[in-house]
Amino acid sequence: QSALTQPRSVSGSPGQSVTISCTGTSSDVGGYNYVSWYQQHPGKAPKLMIYEVSKRPSGVPDRFSGSKSGNTASLTISGLQAEDEADYYCCSYAASYTKVVFGGGTKLTVL
Amino acid sequence: EVQLVESGGGLVQPGGSLRVSCAASGFTFSSYWMHWVRQVPGKGLVWVSRINSDGSSTSYADSVKGRFTISRDNAKNTLYLQMNSLRAEDTAVYYCARDKWTPDYWGQGTLVTVSS
Repeated sequence: QSALTQPRSVSGSPGQSVTISCTGTSSDVGGYNYVSWYQQHPGKAPKLMIYEVSKRPSGVPDRFSGSKSGNTASLTISGLQAEDEADYYCCSYAASYTKVVFGGGTKLTVL
Repeated sequence: EVQLVESGGGLVQPGGSLRVSCAASGFTFSSYWMHWVRQVPGKGLVWVSRINSDGSSTSYADSVKGRFTISRDNAKNTLYLQMNSLRAEDTAVYYCARDKWTPDYWGQGTLVTVSS
C-alpha cells in the first residue's frame, strides 16, 4: 500500500488561509468516506483534527475544515494562527477496511 | 479521560525480539479496535497493524507481516505488539491508537532502536 501524496510544505501569513491536498486512489481516498487529518507538533503525538472527510472532533476550532473530491482530499485552515505551525498528515482506510494508509506529511509554516 | 500509555521500548540488536505494550484507560477498551503506528524520528507516520475488539481479526502492513504480531488482553486493558526478526529499518517511535473509524486517540509513543 503506497503512502498518500501530500505536498512537502505549505506556508501562509497570519490571518490567511491555506489548503493541503492529499491524493490517493480509488482503493483508498476515493473509495472510502473515512479520510482523516492529524496535526503533529514536534515531539508530540498526533492530534485528530478532521475525521470522516469533514467532521471536527470536539474542541477543534472551526477554522479547520475538510473536503474530498474523487481521489483527493483537502484540509483548509482559515485565519492562520502561529500555533497552527505543525506537520499535518492525512489518513484513509484501504483494502476493505483492513488497512490504513497515511500521507507523507506536510509541514505548515506560518510566516 | 482517554489515556494510552506505551511501554517496553528500548535498544535491541538486529534479529532480536521485543514486545511493546499499551495500557488503556478512560474508555471501554474491549469495545474498540486498536492500531499500532510508527514514526522514524523526523519522518512521517506509517501504519503498522490493527486488531479488532475481541482480538479475532488482525491485519498488518506488508513491511512487518510475518515478523510482528498484534494482540490484546481485554481483562488487563492492554494492547501488545510482539516484534521478531527486528531490522535497523524498524527503528522508530511506536504509537498505539484507539480506532473510531480512524485512529482518534494516541499515546505518547515508545522508542524502539534496532542497532548493534
